[in-house]
Amino acid sequence: SQTIHQWPATLVQPVGSPLSLECTVEGTSNPNLYWYRQAAGRGLQLLFYSVGIGQISSEVPQNLSASRPQDRQFILSSKKLLLSDSGFYLCAWTMGYNEQFFGPGTRLTVL
Amino acid sequence: DQQVKQNSPSLSVQEGRISILNCDYTNSMFDYFLWYKKYPAEGPTFLISISSIKDKNEDGRFTVFLNKSAKHLSLHIVPSQPGDSAVYFCAAREIIQGAQKLVFGQGTRLTINP
Repeated sequence: SQTIHQWPATLVQPVGSPLSLECTVEGTSNPNLYWYRQAAGRGLQLLFYSVGIGQISSEVPQNLSASRPQDRQFILSSKKLLLSDSGFYLCAWTMGYNEQFFGPGTRLTVL
Repeated sequence: DQQVKQNSPSLSVQEGRISILNCDYTNSMFDYFLWYKKYPAEGPTFLISISSIKDKNEDGRFTVFLNKSAKHLSLHIVPSQPGDSAVYFCAAREIIQGAQKLVFGQGTRLTINP
């Protein structure tokens, strides 16, 4: 069966510090991978998606970037965090056009 | 511009009664709709979906209705149980350049009262 992992589970970072969140998927090959953010009291906003290694599509201009160095690894990064980057970050995967499955999420607090 | 809207931020229902969660969308290119359930500090879990060529899909206590002409869908939960208390997200799918993208509503917090 397929599983999706995210780490860390929680993170508190000062403004201006770098960020690296990692997502890995097990039990499948060549998944489509997604990064979402849920800000406090808001819905899920799609940040990035990838249909293959090295391929990244960005949905909104922002302070974040994504990379996919391996087939089942998706990384969300920032060089300098802003207060507005605080939120709950979710990684998701899908095969083809089926429903997306989400990871457990990372709670990021920028102080 | 919010393409998927859940206009009720919260809903409170008595245990055993029917819960009805609503969702409206604006983009007629959406071809598939999904409902997710989310508990605090966890990722959303898939509940039920419906293709745009259907008007109803049922799975146990959960039924999703789609009214394409009104660009409206709803999730019915009957009978409602305390474990159903969670935030429910409606999502609509579009396919762009071979990739599936989901657009989510803001969510509705459902509380089931004993």
